[in-house]
Amino acid sequence: DTEVTQTPKHLVMGMTNKKSLKCEQHMGHRAMYWYKQKAKKPPELMFVYSYEKLSINESVPSRFSPECPNSSLLNLHLHALQPEDSALYLCASSRIGRNTEAFFGQGTRLTVV
Amino acid sequence: GQQVMQIPQYQHVQEGEDFTTYCNSSTTLSNIQWYKQRPGGHPVFLIQLVKSGEVKKQKRLTFQFGEAKKNSSLHITATQTTDVGTYFCAGGAAGNKLTFGGGTRVLVKP
Repeated sequence: DTEVTQTPKHLVMGMTNKKSLKCEQHMGHRAMYWYKQKAKKPPELMFVYSYEKLSINESVPSRFSPECPNSSLLNLHLHALQPEDSALYLCASSRIGRNTEAFFGQGTRLTVV
Repeated sequence: GQQVMQIPQYQHVQEGEDFTTYCNSSTTLSNIQWYKQRPGGHPVFLIQLVKSGEVKKQKRLTFQFGEAKKNSSLHITATQTTDVGTYFCAGGAAGNKLTFGGGTRVLVKP
């Protein structure tokens, strides 16, 4: 199984809503990532988890709250988002180490209204 | 911090022609990875280069890593409509951190 599964595929939420994005992988990868991608732009790294611990936070606003409940799951909790947060949110996983490829999920297309 | 730049931003190619996209890093890289993202899709890993001067081929795709490990290129021969998409290079660094270049968006004219 070389898949990273993200749910939901699409999400529309209001600025006062609380929602969560979910990501799951069963490849035994111990590094998991959240990326944000705006249209016609490259993926921008948000968070990295290594061995279920947050290792990198790229100065992401606190309205985005990541969580890694176990080695297979990664969540991104959303609260009080702004319309400019609308984007494709990509989860990825990889083995630990520099020279390892990342496997991306299909993403959650988020629209904040 | 590390910056990775890619040119061109857009590439319009006649079907059957060749083209090259270039990637340059502001710092020496431990590795360079290439990903392809189809329209409406997600990035899919193509290849990784680790050694200085390394060249790898995948059918019509040829990837090179520069001698100084600061630049890379992707050359596609005999472009096909299936090559449509955005090609990203990504530089590897400590902490499992990948820094993506801006991407080259490829459009193929049949």
